[in-house]
Amino acid sequence: GAGVSQSPSNKVTEKGKDVELRCDPISGHTALYWYRQSLGQGLEFLIYFQGNSAPDKSGLPSDRFSAERTGGSVSTLTIQRTQQEDSAVYLCASSLRQGSGYTFGSGTRLTVV
Amino acid sequence: DQQVKQNSPSLSVQEGRISILNCDYTNSMFDYFLWYKKYPAEGPTFLISISSIKDKNEDGRFTVFLNKSAKHLSLHIVPSQPGDSAVYFCAALAANFGNEKLTFGTGTRLTIIP
Repeated sequence: GAGVSQSPSNKVTEKGKDVELRCDPISGHTALYWYRQSLGQGLEFLIYFQGNSAPDKSGLPSDRFSAERTGGSVSTLTIQRTQQEDSAVYLCASSLRQGSGYTFGSGTRLTVV
Repeated sequence: DQQVKQNSPSLSVQEGRISILNCDYTNSMFDYFLWYKKYPAEGPTFLISISSIKDKNEDGRFTVFLNKSAKHLSLHIVPSQPGDSAVYFCAALAANFGNEKLTFGTGTRLTIIP
């Protein structure tokens, strides 16, 4: 597609449930990033995939968070046993090159109740 | 540890005047800086960038200034227009160190008053 697509756009889940967030990057973009924005906060880096290299998971806040990128394209961010502090907008971006090539999706607003 | 700081959470400017958004950073390895603009319910969109080898980059109404010694950058918008009302994020990366992760500030909400 023309842009980065994220689904669902909104997700309300009960505390303790698992959720999966999906990102379809721009075709041909080798780098894919997940960020999240909590209320009143900046964009917090979570994980970064670049081609076939091992992902940079240094931003994942706990072992309840994991992500995979299948076939170098679609990525899924999974949050297990969700907690209220996981409520945030989760943003995916892809790029062909560093910095200015980042294209963000519209995000998934996750609310844990 | 907030490596990129935007100390003004909000700013209001009269239409037609200059908007100045400020950003400070602490990591001396950062060598590439970007500004993103975000409307509600949309993802951030790239606005303008600057490499540390420059001190100014201009694109139409938008100019970014970099003061490396002060670890400070600013975004100037002139003249400001109502469509500029958005949240602006400053971001930085250490490109020469092979680090492709952007580190973002907390954002400044700019409101242009007609």
